[in-house]
Amino acid sequence: GAGVSQSPSNKVTEKGKDVELRCDPISGHTALYWYRQSLGQGLEFLIYFQGNSAPDKSGLPSDRFSAERTGGSVSTLTIQRTQQEDSAVYLCASSPRQAVETQYFGPGTRLLVL
Amino acid sequence: DQQVKQNSPSLSVQEGRISILNCDYTNSMFDYFLWYKKYPAEGPTFLISISSIKDKNEDGRFTVFLNKSAKHLSLHIVPSQPGDSAVYFCAASKTSYDKVIFGPGTSLSVIP
Repeated sequence: GAGVSQSPSNKVTEKGKDVELRCDPISGHTALYWYRQSLGQGLEFLIYFQGNSAPDKSGLPSDRFSAERTGGSVSTLTIQRTQQEDSAVYLCASSPRQAVETQYFGPGTRLLVL
Repeated sequence: DQQVKQNSPSLSVQEGRISILNCDYTNSMFDYFLWYKKYPAEGPTFLISISSIKDKNEDGRFTVFLNKSAKHLSLHIVPSQPGDSAVYFCAASKTSYDKVIFGPGTSLSVIP
């Protein structure tokens, strides 16, 4: 398909374990964003990649969170030593350069930390 | 500190009537505003945007109004249809290519 894909769609893990969430953006989109939505909350910005520029990590809630974008395409969000408050839907979006209104979102990964 | 606020978590409107969703922001550096619509189990989809040089932008049944001095914007849907039932997110950014900050969303129910 031509849209943003994310995997896994659901992830259940135990507190203290590490998890990796994957995002495949739309081909050719240079901007990639990660957000999370906790239960009853809005979308919380986490990190933003734009081309070859240094990523904007200002939204990462703690140093347990990190993200990479390899080859300007696929991105992985890693959460180390997961906590119960990390439970949320993690959304990825991509957009063409200089066009935030064309942010295309993936379906999200629902993470549950027990 | 929440920079984009949507103070109504939910709204119910009769089919055919006008839906008005409100949004306030605190950061005067925001210059570009967007509305997104989200259905359950799907990612948000872009609906309409407005830049600060305008006070109104219209696209079919959807109109966004911006009052920069009040740091307030609103989305009007008229006439409302049952398929409009979704969560609506207001969002803002400093430029049209900067990161986007989202509000908490308003859940709209359009009653047939």
